[in-house]
Amino acid sequence: NAGVTQTPKFQVLKTGQSMTLQCAQDMNHEYMSWYRQDPGMGLRLIHYSVGAGITDQGEVPNGYNVSRSTTEDFPLRLLSAAPSQTSVYFCASSSPPGAEAFFGQGTRLTVV
Amino acid sequence: AQSVTQLDSHVSVSEGTPVLLRCNYSSSYSPSLFWYVQHPNKGLQLLLKYTSAATLVKGINGFEAEFKKSETSFHLTKPSAHMSDAAEYFCVVRPFRGANNLFFGTGTRLTVIP
Repeated sequence: NAGVTQTPKFQVLKTGQSMTLQCAQDMNHEYMSWYRQDPGMGLRLIHYSVGAGITDQGEVPNGYNVSRSTTEDFPLRLLSAAPSQTSVYFCASSSPPGAEAFFGQGTRLTVV
Repeated sequence: AQSVTQLDSHVSVSEGTPVLLRCNYSSSYSPSLFWYVQHPNKGLQLLLKYTSAATLVKGINGFEAEFKKSETSFHLTKPSAHMSDAAEYFCVVRPFRGANNLFFGTGTRLTVIP
């Protein structure tokens, strides 16, 4: 079972560049989300989606865009990368209510 | 408001001794609570979850946690630490049944000394 797949695993960007982090799940989960992980801060929610065509902002949405055209895919776009966006990004999916989230392996992004 | 507090940022134990990782939560409703483990350069794996059934929850790899509503705690324990338990552990709360979002603690790094 593939579960939640993120690509790429590693990425280096220059300040001002844009890119898309890909996330796909094969469990037919309605709910998908993006988190960033920074040292000493746990995981913080960037954006989430409760189904195709529906997205909403999390705790730290600035500088990021998302879309959800299908149940399976939930890409995260960095519009103009900044060094403050250097982080590890995790995509997750779940089937609510009350169920656990399944996480991808993460994308380590460095912005120089 | 809901939040999760992991009381120790770093815990160090000797192999074969008990493990205690502490977590307190605040929620105005009946929450679901989870413990996740993250090994170096890996994703997060679910250890166990509490969703209003039995208050003592058993998870994978010999871990268990007890939901104590009166103390708003959900501490993670294991009777005997193994070297492979060295990792980062996250306490996570879903504030109420059907809530969309999870709230993460800041994590506890467990070191196991041979």
